[in-house]
Amino acid sequence: DVQLVESGGGLVQPGGFLRLSCAASGLIFSDYSMQWVRQAPGKGLEWVCYISSDGDTIYYRDSVKGRFTISRDNPQKSMYLQMTRLRADDTAVYYCVTSSTFHWGQGALVTVSS
Amino acid sequence: DIQMTQSPSSLSASVGDTVTITCRASQRISNYLNWFQQKPGKAPKVLISGASSLHSGVPSRFSGSGSGTDFTLTITNLQPEDFATYYCQQSYLTYITFGQGTRLEIK
Repeated sequence: DVQLVESGGGLVQPGGFLRLSCAASGLIFSDYSMQWVRQAPGKGLEWVCYISSDGDTIYYRDSVKGRFTISRDNPQKSMYLQMTRLRADDTAVYYCVTSSTFHWGQGALVTVSS
Repeated sequence: DIQMTQSPSSLSASVGDTVTITCRASQRISNYLNWFQQKPGKAPKVLISGASSLHSGVPSRFSGSGSGTDFTLTITNLQPEDFATYYCQQSYLTYITFGQGTRLEIK
């Protein structure tokens, strides 16, 4: 079975940084483009960013451009989200998602608060 | 950006009912439309991709239709486990967007 496991969430002060990881198993990771999707408390789903299977093509939503960096390590079957200059409105559960088969991780909670 | 508008935003129904949720895109997206179900405290789960293709393991009481800008998700013979929030998502552009969600509640 495909399994995606996020880690690295936590409480961080505004302006701080955090790095999320997504560890994949049960799939040929290098075949899949991947995404991060977030959900603020009590709100809907919001796409954050995308990375192609080879890591060469990357897209971000406007509100995180210049602050977040998506990357991947195919031999390690892992994807990452480096988040800097965090703001209160970045508070959310962050999910890693496979782009074509729509497998979701369980999510990692990021709370930005002083 | 492509805006996705779902209606209704909430819906009350009874076990055994048939319900329809609609999703409208602000521009044509062919059939690049996916539906997800989310239960409280859980990650979303894909139901339908490509507007009408049921994912493996999803009960046949779920169906999707539409193309272009207008799409529907229909659930027939509602079961207790179907009461959840449903989201549409366009994947026509890599700048993916979701509808705002439809909360399906027990009447």
